Amino acid sequence: RKEVEQDPGPFNVPEGATVAFNCTYSNSASQSFFWYRQDCRKEPKLLMSVYSSGNEDGRFTAQLNRASQYISLLIRDSKLSDSATYLCVVNRVGTGNQFYFGTGTSLTVIP
Amino acid sequence: NAGVTQTPKFRVLKTGQSMTLLCAQDMNHEYMYWYRQDPGMGLRLIHYSVGEGTTAKGEVPDGYNVSRLKKQNFLLGLESAAPSQTSVYFCASSYSTPHELFFGEGSRLTVL
Repeated sequence: RKEVEQDPGPFNVPEGATVAFNCTYSNSASQSFFWYRQDCRKEPKLLMSVYSSGNEDGRFTAQLNRASQYISLLIRDSKLSDSATYLCVVNRVGTGNQFYFGTGTSLTVIP
Repeated sequence: NAGVTQTPKFRVLKTGQSMTLLCAQDMNHEYMYWYRQDPGMGLRLIHYSVGEGTTAKGEVPDGYNVSRLKKQNFLLGLESAAPSQTSVYFCASSYSTPHELFFGEGSRLTVL
């Protein structure tokens, strides 16, 4: 079983739409959680960390459910510039502070 | 504010040739990582280091070697390149949990 699983999409949504991405992780010992954004042919960049209480950054809201081992990302009022691949990332210290990546969810925002 | 720097950015090799990718970070991070990214496979860990002088194998270490002689540098070597090693290679570094990973811009390697 993969450490982190994501729906690869693609998600094609119109400008202004709300879109949600989901991610599950297999190891309950995972400690830190992140959403990264990766533009085509670029490096991944941190979008936001995910906290147990949930957190929001402008149009982006991240949620963590440790009991269900589930992470979500909600994007409201989608912009053309949100088009990218979104990577769910999980961190666990026990194996040398390793990070485990989902394969990414592709989002295209259509005018 | 350089962050994580990878060199070279692009390289074309013939099967059997060797090369070294250099990763340098100026953030005094303890942890450094080499990943490869292939279509549909996501990022896969090749080798990593938890501090100067240490290295460890990741998920896909075969055909690669690494060294971390200085804290700021992490080198990835291909002793005898194979077409299966055609990929985009990303170096990353991290301070410690719960801090995030910082990535270099990537190195695109093609092995003919």
